[in-house]
Amino acid sequence: ELKVEQNPLFLSMQEGKNYTIYCNYSTTSDRLYWYRQDPGKSLESLFVLLSNGAVKQEGRLMASLDTKARLSTLHITAAVHDLSATYFCASTSGTYKYIFGTGTRLKVLA
Amino acid sequence: NAGVTQTPKFQVLKTGQSMTLQCAQDMNHNSMYWYRQDPGMGLRLIYYSASEGTTDKGEVPNGYNVSRLNKREFSLRLESAAPSQTSVYFCASRSGGGASPSYNEQFFGPGTRLTVL
Repeated sequence: ELKVEQNPLFLSMQEGKNYTIYCNYSTTSDRLYWYRQDPGKSLESLFVLLSNGAVKQEGRLMASLDTKARLSTLHITAAVHDLSATYFCASTSGTYKYIFGTGTRLKVLA
Repeated sequence: NAGVTQTPKFQVLKTGQSMTLQCAQDMNHNSMYWYRQDPGMGLRLIYYSASEGTTDKGEVPNGYNVSRLNKREFSLRLESAAPSQTSVYFCASRSGGGASPSYNEQFFGPGTRLTVL
């Protein structure tokens, strides 16, 4: 049974600092998804990582996937307040079932 | 393009009442999903429909039923609501197959906030 774990669950960081969110998953999968959720809102897709070694970047966020280690990271560079949100990773069990991590609530302090 | 729409946005039920949550997508996607989100637990898959005419259980199907009415619409029914079903419910859809970079990317609706008293 696929399990997806994120850490940390909460992250409070100063503007301008760098940090990494980790996403571990328990069974073989070659796809990993990252989403952002603002309070009271729906989920917005950030990255789709489709193969081992995949790296995607958008602004101050960079996501990578290591399928051998069953690990994905979301790296935040020079954080700004606008990045405050909850970030979820998800993997797939089979073709259609998505299993989500519990989320990382990020707060960027001015 | 409205994307994925859900109705209602908010609902309050009494224990034992029934209701149906509606979801529709206009992206011609094959697969549709229902999730619930509870504080500190991320999203959990209730049911999914890989394609029109098929439905399958997810992680937490007990107490729910679904109908894939056509390619656009996927409804979730609570036959006898319980306080444990108080949650935010999200519907999502996904395109199927292909080499597009968005392959298997899910698109989410705005959610339905359900309270069961």
